[in-house]
Amino acid sequence: DSGVTQTPKHLITATGQRVTLRCSPRSGDLSVYWYQQSLDQGLQFLIQYYNGEERAKGNILERFSAQQFPDLHSELNLSSLELGDSALYFCASSVQGGSTKEQYFGPGTRLTVT
Amino acid sequence: AQSVTQLGSHVSVSEGALVLLRCNYSSSVPPYLFWYVQYPNQGLQLLLKYTTGATLVKGINGFEAEFKKSETSFHLTKPSAHMSDAAEYFCAVRYGGTSYGKLTFGQGTILTVHP
Repeated sequence: DSGVTQTPKHLITATGQRVTLRCSPRSGDLSVYWYQQSLDQGLQFLIQYYNGEERAKGNILERFSAQQFPDLHSELNLSSLELGDSALYFCASSVQGGSTKEQYFGPGTRLTVT
Repeated sequence: AQSVTQLGSHVSVSEGALVLLRCNYSSSVPPYLFWYVQYPNQGLQLLLKYTTGATLVKGINGFEAEFKKSETSFHLTKPSAHMSDAAEYFCAVRYGGTSYGKLTFGQGTILTVHP
Protein backbone atom coordinates (compact mmCIF):
# COMPACT_ATOMS: atom_id res chain seq x y z
CA ASP A 1 0.00 0.00 0.00
CA SER A 2 1.59 3.25 -1.20
CA GLY A 3 -0.54 5.48 1.00
CA VAL A 4 -2.05 7.23 -2.04
CA THR A 5 -5.79 6.69 -2.34
CA GLN A 6 -7.97 7.15 -5.39
CA THR A 7 -11.72 7.04 -5.79
CA PRO A 8 -13.65 5.64 -7.42
CA LYS A 9 -11.89 2.42 -8.40
CA HIS A 10 -14.07 1.94 -11.47
CA LEU A 11 -16.21 4.35 -13.43
CA ILE A 12 -18.46 3.60 -16.36
CA THR A 13 -20.10 6.49 -18.16
CA ALA A 14 -21.41 7.53 -21.55
CA THR A 15 -19.91 9.73 -24.22
CA GLY A 16 -20.44 13.42 -23.66
CA GLN A 17 -20.62 13.10 -19.90
CA ARG A 18 -18.40 14.65 -17.23
CA VAL A 19 -16.67 12.81 -14.39
CA THR A 20 -14.47 13.71 -11.44
CA LEU A 21 -11.65 11.52 -10.20
CA ARG A 22 -10.34 12.07 -6.71
CA CYS A 23 -6.90 11.55 -5.22
CA SER A 24 -5.58 11.83 -1.67
CA PRO A 25 -1.78 11.98 -1.48
CA ARG A 26 0.39 10.32 1.13
CA SER A 27 0.47 12.14 4.43
CA GLY A 28 3.01 14.95 4.21
CA ASP A 29 3.33 14.92 0.42
CA LEU A 30 2.83 18.31 -1.18
CA SER A 31 3.02 17.34 -4.82
CA VAL A 32 0.36 15.48 -6.80
CA TYR A 33 0.71 14.13 -10.33
CA TRP A 34 -1.87 12.73 -12.72
CA TYR A 35 -1.07 10.11 -15.38
CA GLN A 36 -3.15 8.36 -17.99
CA GLN A 37 -2.45 4.75 -18.98
CA SER A 38 -3.99 3.45 -22.19
CA LEU A 39 -3.15 0.59 -24.52
CA ASP A 40 -2.26 2.80 -27.45
CA GLN A 41 -0.51 5.69 -25.66
CA GLY A 42 1.05 3.89 -22.72
CA LEU A 43 1.67 5.87 -19.52
CA GLN A 44 1.49 9.61 -20.10
CA PHE A 45 1.96 12.49 -17.70
CA LEU A 46 -1.00 14.83 -17.56
CA ILE A 47 -0.39 17.47 -14.92
CA GLN A 48 1.36 18.24 -11.63
CA TYR A 49 0.29 20.34 -8.67
CA TYR A 50 2.48 21.46 -5.83
CA ASN A 51 0.94 22.82 -2.65
CA GLY A 52 -2.15 23.98 -4.49
CA GLU A 53 -0.51 25.47 -7.55
CA GLU A 54 -0.08 24.03 -11.01
CA ARG A 55 3.61 23.19 -11.50
CA ALA A 56 3.92 21.30 -14.77
CA LYS A 57 1.67 20.33 -17.62
CA GLY A 58 1.94 17.43 -20.01
CA ASN A 59 -0.32 15.96 -22.64
CA ILE A 60 -3.53 17.07 -21.02
CA LEU A 61 -6.51 17.78 -23.25
CA GLU A 62 -8.40 21.06 -22.93
CA ARG A 63 -11.48 19.03 -21.93
CA PHE A 64 -9.57 17.90 -18.85
CA SER A 65 -8.79 20.03 -15.84
CA ALA A 66 -7.42 19.47 -12.39
CA GLN A 67 -6.97 21.23 -9.10
CA GLN A 68 -5.40 20.69 -5.72
CA PHE A 69 -7.27 21.80 -2.65
CA PRO A 70 -5.97 23.32 0.62
CA ASP A 71 -6.08 19.90 2.29
CA LEU A 72 -3.82 18.74 -0.60
CA HIS A 73 -6.25 16.30 -2.15
CA SER A 74 -6.63 16.64 -5.89
CA GLU A 75 -9.39 16.18 -8.41
CA LEU A 76 -9.16 15.49 -12.12
CA ASN A 77 -12.19 16.60 -14.10
CA LEU A 78 -12.86 15.03 -17.48
CA SER A 79 -15.64 16.52 -19.59
CA SER A 80 -17.27 15.89 -22.98
CA LEU A 81 -16.00 12.37 -22.69
CA GLU A 82 -15.10 10.41 -25.79
CA LEU A 83 -14.58 6.70 -26.30
CA GLY A 84 -10.84 7.33 -26.54
CA ASP A 85 -10.75 8.67 -22.99
CA SER A 86 -11.27 5.16 -21.68
CA ALA A 87 -8.11 4.45 -19.71
CA LEU A 88 -6.60 3.89 -16.32
CA TYR A 89 -5.93 7.17 -14.53
CA PHE A 90 -3.25 7.20 -11.88
CA CYS A 91 -2.49 9.74 -9.25
CA ALA A 92 0.96 9.89 -7.69
CA SER A 93 2.41 11.98 -4.92
CA SER A 94 5.83 13.01 -3.69
CA VAL A 95 7.20 14.97 -0.79
CA GLN A 96 8.31 17.83 -2.97
CA GLY A 97 8.38 18.55 -6.65
CA GLY A 98 12.10 17.95 -6.90
CA SER A 99 13.45 15.64 -9.56
CA THR A 100 15.18 13.26 -7.16
CA LYS A 101 12.11 12.53 -5.15
CA GLU A 102 10.29 9.37 -6.10
CA GLN A 103 6.60 9.39 -6.86
CA TYR A 104 4.26 7.00 -5.08
CA PHE A 105 1.34 5.80 -7.16
CA GLY A 106 -2.23 5.13 -6.18
CA PRO A 107 -4.17 2.07 -7.37
CA GLY A 108 -5.79 4.00 -10.21
CA THR A 109 -9.29 4.70 -11.47
CA ARG A 110 -10.40 2.67 -14.45
CA LEU A 111 -12.63 4.81 -16.65
CA THR A 112 -14.78 3.18 -19.28
CA VAL A 113 -16.64 5.42 -21.71
CA THR A 114 -19.43 3.71 -23.64
CA ALA B 1 12.72 15.48 -26.70
CA GLN B 2 12.93 13.15 -23.79
CA SER B 3 12.28 9.54 -24.62
CA VAL B 4 12.71 6.14 -23.08
CA THR B 5 12.96 2.92 -25.03
CA GLN B 6 12.41 -0.47 -23.51
CA LEU B 7 13.68 -3.19 -25.80
CA GLY B 8 11.27 -6.08 -25.90
CA SER B 9 7.63 -5.70 -24.99
CA HIS B 10 7.60 -9.29 -23.70
CA VAL B 11 10.35 -11.22 -21.97
CA SER B 12 9.95 -14.83 -20.92
CA VAL B 13 12.31 -16.63 -18.57
CA SER B 14 12.37 -19.85 -16.59
CA GLU B 15 12.15 -19.80 -12.84
CA GLY B 16 15.68 -19.45 -11.48
CA ALA B 17 17.05 -17.89 -14.66
CA LEU B 18 18.58 -14.44 -15.04
CA VAL B 19 16.18 -11.59 -15.67
CA LEU B 20 17.40 -8.77 -17.94
CA LEU B 21 15.06 -5.96 -18.93
CA ARG B 22 16.56 -3.31 -21.15
CA CYS B 23 16.05 0.43 -20.97
CA ASN B 24 17.70 3.20 -22.99
CA TYR B 25 17.05 6.90 -22.71
CA SER B 26 17.77 9.75 -25.06
CA SER B 27 19.26 12.83 -23.54
CA SER B 28 22.47 14.80 -23.57
CA VAL B 29 21.97 15.51 -19.89
CA PRO B 30 21.87 12.51 -17.56
CA PRO B 31 18.38 12.23 -16.16
CA TYR B 32 17.13 10.69 -12.99
CA LEU B 33 16.11 7.11 -13.71
CA PHE B 34 13.51 4.85 -12.18
CA TRP B 35 12.14 1.36 -12.57
CA TYR B 36 8.56 0.64 -11.57
CA VAL B 37 6.64 -2.63 -11.47
CA GLN B 38 2.93 -3.04 -12.08
CA TYR B 39 1.12 -6.18 -11.00
CA PRO B 40 -2.24 -6.93 -12.61
CA ASN B 41 -4.98 -4.51 -11.55
CA GLN B 42 -2.63 -2.57 -9.30
CA GLY B 43 -0.77 0.70 -9.34
CA LEU B 44 2.92 1.20 -9.98
CA GLN B 45 5.42 0.29 -7.30
CA LEU B 46 8.91 1.76 -7.25
CA LEU B 47 11.62 -0.89 -7.60
CA LEU B 48 14.68 1.36 -7.57
CA LYS B 49 16.01 4.72 -8.64
CA TYR B 50 19.23 6.36 -9.77
CA THR B 51 19.82 10.02 -9.05
CA THR B 52 23.53 10.54 -8.41
CA GLY B 53 26.45 8.63 -6.97
CA ALA B 54 26.97 4.90 -7.33
CA THR B 55 25.95 3.71 -10.77
CA LEU B 56 24.88 0.25 -9.56
CA VAL B 57 21.62 0.62 -7.74
CA LYS B 58 19.97 -2.07 -5.64
CA GLY B 59 16.23 -2.18 -5.24
CA ILE B 60 13.53 -4.26 -3.69
CA ASN B 61 12.81 -7.93 -4.37
CA GLY B 62 16.41 -8.64 -5.40
CA PHE B 63 16.42 -6.35 -8.44
CA GLU B 64 19.27 -4.07 -9.38
CA ALA B 65 20.12 -1.75 -12.25
CA GLU B 66 23.26 -0.16 -13.58
CA PHE B 67 23.44 3.34 -15.00
CA LYS B 68 25.81 3.48 -17.96
CA LYS B 69 26.18 7.02 -19.21
CA SER B 70 28.27 6.06 -22.24
CA GLU B 71 25.53 3.70 -23.39
CA THR B 72 22.60 5.86 -22.15
CA SER B 73 21.24 2.71 -20.56
CA PHE B 74 19.68 1.66 -17.28
CA HIS B 75 19.03 -2.07 -17.61
CA LEU B 76 17.23 -3.96 -14.85
CA THR B 77 18.51 -7.34 -13.71
CA LYS B 78 17.76 -10.05 -11.20
CA PRO B 79 20.03 -13.09 -10.86
CA SER B 80 17.29 -15.63 -10.29
CA ALA B 81 13.68 -15.19 -11.40
CA HIS B 82 10.80 -16.14 -9.16
CA MET B 83 7.25 -16.85 -10.19
CA SER B 84 6.13 -13.82 -8.19
CA ASP B 85 8.23 -11.56 -10.46
CA ALA B 86 5.72 -11.97 -13.28
CA ALA B 87 4.42 -8.46 -13.92
CA GLU B 88 4.87 -5.47 -16.20
CA TYR B 89 7.97 -3.35 -15.70
CA PHE B 90 8.36 0.28 -16.63
CA CYS B 91 11.51 2.31 -16.99
CA ALA B 92 11.05 6.06 -16.42
CA VAL B 93 13.16 9.18 -16.61
CA ARG B 94 12.77 12.52 -14.94
CA TYR B 95 14.50 15.81 -15.60
CA GLY B 96 14.70 19.12 -13.86
CA GLY B 97 14.05 22.49 -15.36
CA THR B 98 10.67 23.18 -16.93
CA SER B 99 9.84 19.46 -16.96
CA TYR B 100 10.17 19.62 -13.23
CA GLY B 101 7.75 16.93 -12.19
CA LYS B 102 7.20 14.93 -15.33
CA LEU B 103 8.02 11.23 -15.45
CA THR B 104 8.47 9.94 -18.97
CA PHE B 105 7.80 6.23 -19.18
CA GLY B 106 8.89 3.55 -21.57
CA GLN B 107 6.27 1.36 -23.19
CA GLY B 108 6.70 -1.36 -20.60
CA THR B 109 7.99 -4.92 -20.65
CA ILE B 110 5.78 -7.80 -19.61
CA LEU B 111 7.83 -10.40 -17.78
CA THR B 112 6.56 -13.97 -17.84
CA VAL B 113 8.18 -16.56 -15.57
CA HIS B 114 7.49 -20.18 -16.33
CA PRO B 115 8.26 -23.18 -14.14
